[in-house]
Amino acid sequence: DAKTTQPNSMESNEEEPVHLPCNHSTISGTDYIHWYRQLPSQGPEYVIHGLTSNVNNRMASLAIAEDRKSSTLILHRATLRDAAVYYCILRDGTGNTGKLIFGQGTTLQVKP
Amino acid sequence: DSGVTQTPKHLITATGQRVTLRCSPRSGDLSVYWYQQSLDQGLQFLIQYYNGEERAKGNILERFSAQQFPDLHSELNLSSLELGDSALYFCASSVGLAGRGTGELFFGEGSRLTVL
Repeated sequence: DAKTTQPNSMESNEEEPVHLPCNHSTISGTDYIHWYRQLPSQGPEYVIHGLTSNVNNRMASLAIAEDRKSSTLILHRATLRDAAVYYCILRDGTGNTGKLIFGQGTTLQVKP
Repeated sequence: DSGVTQTPKHLITATGQRVTLRCSPRSGDLSVYWYQQSLDQGLQFLIQYYNGEERAKGNILERFSAQQFPDLHSELNLSSLELGDSALYFCASSVGLAGRGTGELFFGEGSRLTVL
């Protein structure tokens, strides 16, 4: 499985935008970029995913570099509830298993 | 609420013992995944079942085993427990194999195992 690199931790102020970076220089053409987050004392939850184009949903936006070697998860207005560990994961689109391999993720702290 | 149910939520046992963790996937989901999360190892993929058959294996110890039953619920059996097995065990489910890069995994709230 291709690897991703994320900063260990980031801080943000409440109601400000947050940009969480992810590097994946060895991404293959069939790898999808997935983001999950894990709130304290909870299981991970899906945030967003994409292949080549930027994606938006009710939770966040995903900006994918043109060469696909990096991506950025954007939380438009951070709330205290967004404090969590954010995982950037590559999943092979041609595989026959849906398993996700989690890295260490980025711990996001949101300050009031 | 993800729709994935795990029992028990908490379990305390002694070294050398055997425990069974149970997972009921979301209605209609055929794929079940087990993950272990400890403080020093992060989220580790253990094993995946799809419609009753093993589909993928990760870092699962030989002392651990799992199965998925015809009603699609799954059990993770942990035997000869050691102190280092203390962790949160998560179950997740998805509609299909989700191998096309799409399809999200829905995680349960986990079972916290403490081995004394």
